[in-house]
Amino acid sequence: EPEVTQTPSHQVTQMGQEVILRCVPISNHLYFYWYRQILGQKVEFLVSFYNNEISEKSEIFDDQFSVERPDGSNFTLKIRSTKLEDSAMYFCATRGLAGGFNIQYFGAGTRLSVL
Amino acid sequence: AQKVTQAQTEISVVEKEDVTLDCVYETRDTTYYLFWYKQPPSGELVFLIRRNSFDEQNEISGRYSWNFQKSTSSFNFTITASQVVDSAVYFCALSEGSTGNQFYFGTGTSLTVIP
Repeated sequence: EPEVTQTPSHQVTQMGQEVILRCVPISNHLYFYWYRQILGQKVEFLVSFYNNEISEKSEIFDDQFSVERPDGSNFTLKIRSTKLEDSAMYFCATRGLAGGFNIQYFGAGTRLSVL
Repeated sequence: AQKVTQAQTEISVVEKEDVTLDCVYETRDTTYYLFWYKQPPSGELVFLIRRNSFDEQNEISGRYSWNFQKSTSSFNFTITASQVVDSAVYFCALSEGSTGNQFYFGTGTSLTVIP
């Protein structure tokens, strides 16, 4: 069964450092998303991406965050200067058009720990 | 205001008991989608079911069943004859509009099935 792949599974970084979280979408999916889940809390929307541009973003997604699909396969989330409060699980999700339309399939997540 | 409310934070049941997880949503859109996802201790988000706003038929899949009632804006999830492997956090989510973009997640219900 096709799946969304996220790397790394766990990223530890120092406050102020830049991190890049990577996601390989399900083949033929065109819509991409990032969500964040602070430990013990609900999953929160960060950003959606379609046709090489951001289609929607939340208040959480400030200037410290950026997304891109540099090579047509990987979908990345960059945090320029990490803060302690960025520590969370980050989920990538992708959505196709046929069959399970509007179902977002989630990766296993990247746990980001900012020290 | 919360778009998705899961009032039950934690539930514990003894194996083989039935359990119902509640979900109440709020939207002004006439077209929307409702979802349930399971988050086991390993952390990934596993898609369980999608329902669109025009289909109020209840659905059964094995030991799982879902009761969608527009009149009360509820989309409840019942596990029959619960098993230890059902222990997880369960999230209800809402996607608004016909194309659907971001998901709004509830705060989740942590289910513990005691052997």
